Amino acid sequence: NAGVTQTPKFQVLKTGQSMTLQCAQDMNHEYMSWYRQDPGMGLRLIHYSVGAGITDQGEVPNGYNVSRSTTEDFPLRLLSAAPSQTSVYFCASSEDGQGYNEQYFGPGTRLTVT
Amino acid sequence: TQLLEQSPQFLSIQEGENLTVYCNSSSVFSSLQWYRQEPGEGPVLLVTVVTGGEVKKLKRLTFQFGDARKDSSLHITAAQPGDTGLYLCAGENTGGFKTIFGAGTRLFVKA
Repeated sequence: NAGVTQTPKFQVLKTGQSMTLQCAQDMNHEYMSWYRQDPGMGLRLIHYSVGAGITDQGEVPNGYNVSRSTTEDFPLRLLSAAPSQTSVYFCASSEDGQGYNEQYFGPGTRLTVT
Repeated sequence: TQLLEQSPQFLSIQEGENLTVYCNSSSVFSSLQWYRQEPGEGPVLLVTVVTGGEVKKLKRLTFQFGDARKDSSLHITAAQPGDTGLYLCAGENTGGFKTIFGAGTRLFVKA
């Protein structure tokens, strides 16, 4: 199993550009999520999904869109990048999203917006 | 809003020393988790505690969940350079499906 994979690993965008961060998992997990990690702030939840076709907002959803058309994939879209979105982005999955279950994290995407 | 506060934020110690990291909240959590993250990688789960007062051991690491399920601690005995990393505590928001993370404790163990 590859676990959780993310692409790209690094990305530089200009303000106003759009892009999609890809995330895929091969563990047949129902729950998937996106976090951003900033210095001194831990991980903050952006969006999550409890199954194909179902998504919901996390703590910091503004400026990001998600969709979940398959169990395996959960892309994160930035429609108009802003410097405040410079961060490291992590995708994670777990069996069903219950708090006692392990979340498996991808290796992260380091995004810089200039 | 539920918050998890971790202390200390940064810890630099010599190999062989003991240390304790704390994770505190004013809210009750049904479970708490501890993750470890190395540079350039995603967090990896160390342990989940679900019962108030629960103690779990993982080799030289001892995890405790407070009786009231509002706090947790991680104690490392005889720290080694391989323990270096960012330690994060995490708990499930009462609304469900939303995990809250503490800001983390960055540990550096010098050989």
